[in-house]
Amino acid sequence: GAVVSQHPSWVICKSGTSVKIECRSLDFQATTMFWYRQFPKQSLMLMATSNEGSKATYEQGVEKDKFLINHASLTLSTLTVTSAHPEDSSFYICSARTSGPSTDTQYFGPGTRLTVL
Amino acid sequence: KQEVTQIPAALSVPEGENLVLNCSFTDSAIYNLQWFRQDPGKGLTSLLLIQSSQREQTSGRLNASLDKSSGRSTLYIAASQPGDSATYLCAVRLTDSWGKFQFGAGTQVVVTP
Repeated sequence: GAVVSQHPSWVICKSGTSVKIECRSLDFQATTMFWYRQFPKQSLMLMATSNEGSKATYEQGVEKDKFLINHASLTLSTLTVTSAHPEDSSFYICSARTSGPSTDTQYFGPGTRLTVL
Repeated sequence: KQEVTQIPAALSVPEGENLVLNCSFTDSAIYNLQWFRQDPGKGLTSLLLIQSSQREQTSGRLNASLDKSSGRSTLYIAASQPGDSATYLCAVRLTDSWGKFQFGAGTQVVVTP
């Protein structure tokens, strides 16, 4: 089946530094990719939607200058958390959508755990 | 705005009992509904996907029903096992052109031996 990978699977960084998380669709081209955030004991909240070659669309309340999303190709989207602070510590999950004449499916990545000290 | 609610928030049952997990959503205009399993500190595992035109889906001991008109879905897990212990998430895919998902908060299940 289709696979979506995320790298790194976990990262620890110091407050004030930037962290980049990659999301790749391994065996299909993703028309759209999504980034979600999950705080402990809470559900997934959509942060932004990105399409290849265009600017991401952010959900209300998500700072676009803090969470930079780049969707450079049909198989790669990156989320950069700029000037990270402890409150940005969370589990970040991406999903990738593939669609065509007879299919429209989304696959979720395994997630990246970010801890900001 | 679509809202997804899962009840109960937590559930503990002895091994062998059947599990019934409920999910409700406020807007019946959905593309599909998906049930996921999430183990602690891990990503999502897709269990069942029900298209908006379907009433139910089955896979092994799992059965999920969908009643769009009442905005409800139920996940049944027959003959529960300790390995079924996890958090179960219900997610509704919206009908917008992007394909966004709206997730419920989840039901944390513990199956005791």
